[in-house]
Amino acid sequence: SQQGEEDPQALSIQEGENATMNCSYKTSINNLQWYRQNSGRGLVHLILIRSNEREKHSGRLRVTLDTSKKSSSLLITASRAADTASYFCATDPLGNYQLIWGAGTKLIIKP
Amino acid sequence: DTAVSQTPKYLVTQMGNDKSIKCEQNLGHDTMYWYKQDSKKFLKIMFSYNNKELIINETVPNRFSPKSPDKAHLNLHINSLELGDSAVYFCASSQGARASNQPQHFGDGTRLSIL
Repeated sequence: SQQGEEDPQALSIQEGENATMNCSYKTSINNLQWYRQNSGRGLVHLILIRSNEREKHSGRLRVTLDTSKKSSSLLITASRAADTASYFCATDPLGNYQLIWGAGTKLIIKP
Repeated sequence: DTAVSQTPKYLVTQMGNDKSIKCEQNLGHDTMYWYKQDSKKFLKIMFSYNNKELIINETVPNRFSPKSPDKAHLNLHINSLELGDSAVYFCASSQGARASNQPQHFGDGTRLSIL
């Protein structure tokens, strides 16, 4: 079943702007992960945030988690052309042992 | 020194044929997976093995049979291929037995097209 739903489905911004993507999910989770997929490539892990954490940073990436709203956001600051990719959230629901994936947000950075 | 490698990268074949996809990881991980990504980019788990033992077996037609000869390899054999099998198949691996709380490392996918 599909747990995470990313919003928006597609996002096109100018290089240098910030990009924000959101992920909503339905059931309580242990953790939430964000991945990037470049065209024709496999998924690359970006950040894992646990249910007791509210915010995590990695370079230009900032992830927030609001368990009361069952949502997470991924912020990419000062976007670059190389950030053009699809971004997926994956949740680890309580009592489950597999990741449940959303359908992704397609991000296009215009030069 | 690719971490998760799968072969072939492209597979074009006729309906009804049998084909195999191979996957190897050199990360020393305990758990390996097969995923199917459809044309809308939706990613669905098919199988998961931990130390050569099947731990996740989702509702997948029994034409799909995974095989793990050792914990570094997980192959996928598909019998009697159908048009609906056209997709990108990804192999992934992660550390630990309860792999959903660990980052997963993906291969670059096998693009299967059924004619």
